[in-house]
Amino acid sequence: NAGVTQTPKFQVLKTGQSMTLQCAQDMNHNSMYWYRQDPGMGLRLIYYSASEGTTDKGEVPNGYNVSRLNKREFSLRLESAAPSQTSVYFCASSVQGSSNSPLHFGNGTRLTVT
Amino acid sequence: AQSVTQLDSQVPVFEEAPVELRCNYSSSVSVYLFWYVQYPNQGLQLLLKYLSGSTLVKGINGFEAEFNKSQTSFHLRKPSVHISDTAEYFCAVSDPGSGSARQLTFGSGTQLTVLP
Repeated sequence: NAGVTQTPKFQVLKTGQSMTLQCAQDMNHNSMYWYRQDPGMGLRLIYYSASEGTTDKGEVPNGYNVSRLNKREFSLRLESAAPSQTSVYFCASSVQGSSNSPLHFGNGTRLTVT
Repeated sequence: AQSVTQLDSQVPVFEEAPVELRCNYSSSVSVYLFWYVQYPNQGLQLLLKYLSGSTLVKGINGFEAEFNKSQTSFHLRKPSVHISDTAEYFCAVSDPGSGSARQLTFGSGTQLTVLP
């Protein structure tokens, strides 16, 4: 089973460039999430989609946009990349968006902005 | 808002020794608690969770954790570690009253390194 698949695995951008990080899950989960992971800071929620057709801001949404394309896919877009967005980005999904639902994570996208 | 403190950023331990990774959270009201493990170059995987009931929770790979409401702690333990347990471990807490996983708060992580 693939679970949660993220592409690309690695990306290097110059300041000001744009890109879209792709995420797809094959577990028929309703809720999907984008997190960023920075050293010593744990994971911080960027955006969240409780169900198809809905999205909501998390803790650190500035500089990002998201699209819940369908139930399987949830993409994250950087319109104008900045060095502060250098990070590891994780997509996750859960059966439902309740506070007791465990998250299933992809393997991450390592992004460097120069 | 909830906060989670993982007291040790790095824990080195010899193979077959016991280990405890410490986690404290801020809230004194009801909470859901989770431990996730991240192996190198992978995403996080659920190790165990406490939702209600018995305060001793058993997870995968021989790990267990004890919920202590008076101490607001949820420490992770394993009686005998293996080299393959080398990974980063994250404690996380959510608020049952919020009804939403967006309120999940992660600690900063503890790197467990098992030495031969």
